[in-house]
Amino acid sequence: GAVVSQHPSRVICKSGTSVKIECRSLDFQATTMFWYRQFPKQSLMLMATSNEGSKATYEQGVEKDKFLINHASLTLSTLTVTSAHPEDSSFYICSARDQENTEAFFGQGTRLTVV
Amino acid sequence: EDKVVQSPLSLVVHEGDTVTLNCSYEVTNFRSLLWYKQEKKAPTFLFMLTSSGIEKKSGRLSSILDKKELFSILNITATQTGDSAVYLCAVPRTYKYIFGTGTRLKVLA
Repeated sequence: GAVVSQHPSRVICKSGTSVKIECRSLDFQATTMFWYRQFPKQSLMLMATSNEGSKATYEQGVEKDKFLINHASLTLSTLTVTSAHPEDSSFYICSARDQENTEAFFGQGTRLTVV
Repeated sequence: EDKVVQSPLSLVVHEGDTVTLNCSYEVTNFRSLLWYKQEKKAPTFLFMLTSSGIEKKSGRLSSILDKKELFSILNITATQTGDSAVYLCAVPRTYKYIFGTGTRLKVLA
């Protein structure tokens, strides 16, 4: 299957700082990338969908000013958690696909801990 | 409202057992259903099903779709401890995927 690389895999930051998470498709062009958040023992919660060159579409209840998504190229999307607080601590996962109605491939996930 | 429901929510079996995981869906303009396996990190892709009645197989795992009854099953034969994971099914819908809550499978040695 296709490879999606997410970096960093683990990050600890201080409350009030910002953290950037990168998601790269290594061997295909990702026209669409998805960002999810997952709490322990729960399913994936979609935060936003981004198409290359367009503004991200955020799900209801997700603060777009807090979770900044950029999808500037067909192989890279970034999620920036701004002014992070301990309640933002979670597992963040990206996925990417090249066409509609195809499988999406997931990055390895980023475990964010805000102290 | 579109929804994807998985059952059971959790399952504990012994090595060598066969398990069947269920995924039912109600999604407008359905075109495909996906199965993923999630261990400690992010989900890994298992199968994509688009046609009814055609079994997809990979080793001890197999899956089939019933578009008339709106469900899919994932079978795992001769289970091993390494099969312990959460199994997710998802249905693409316009610009996003609708995920089920997952089935947490634990295989005991």
